[in-house]
Amino acid sequence: AQSVTQLDSHVSVSEGTPVLLRCNYSSSYSPSLFWYVQHPNKGLQLLLKYTSAATLVKGINGFEAEFKKSETSFHLTKPSAHMSDAAEYFCVVSDSWGKLQFGAGTQVVVTP
Amino acid sequence: EAQVTQNPRYLITVTGKKLTVTCSQNMNHEYMSWYRQDPGLGLRQIYYSMNVEVTDKGDVPEGYKVSRKEKRNFPLILESPSPNQTSLYFCASSFWSKSRGNTEAFFGQGTRLTVV
Repeated sequence: AQSVTQLDSHVSVSEGTPVLLRCNYSSSYSPSLFWYVQHPNKGLQLLLKYTSAATLVKGINGFEAEFKKSETSFHLTKPSAHMSDAAEYFCVVSDSWGKLQFGAGTQVVVTP
Repeated sequence: EAQVTQNPRYLITVTGKKLTVTCSQNMNHEYMSWYRQDPGLGLRQIYYSMNVEVTDKGDVPEGYKVSRKEKRNFPLILESPSPNQTSLYFCASSFWSKSRGNTEAFFGQGTRLTVV
């Protein structure tokens, strides 16, 4: 069985400051891990994906995530938040069948 | 271009009137699934299919049906919609690459359903 826990339902940051979104997972297999972003009234956009090639994964729009097997974590970070980063973010784990398990989501608010 | 196409994008219907949301993928993926998204709950899996004629319940299957008569299509059927099925629905097509050892996943644009 696999599961995902996003540790913060809401994160508020000031523009220009770092963003940290926390995700812990459990999986019986060597997992695939994803971060998706959803802007208001929009679909899901892939930010980045862990594929076991490297533990530090770089994504679009300056985001990156680090896979830590010992901590079963896959936290998402960005050094400097932009107003356009205001959105909902989902951490997703997938097993070897391709089933996708979503976290509950983290709503990011960026203040000027 | 790799694509998952959902239709319609928006739908308002009345309680009890049967409806179907279509989903089609052009990547020859075996695994397809449906999710509903509700505030504070993330995306929850409704049904999934591991291949043609192979479907199974996800986490929240009550009130929904699916079929997988051909590989590319995976329609979601609401036989008698109720207001608690008002939600945003996503279809997904995914594939576990044995050579890469990871999952490739693609999503439709979503269907916003309102049942009044």
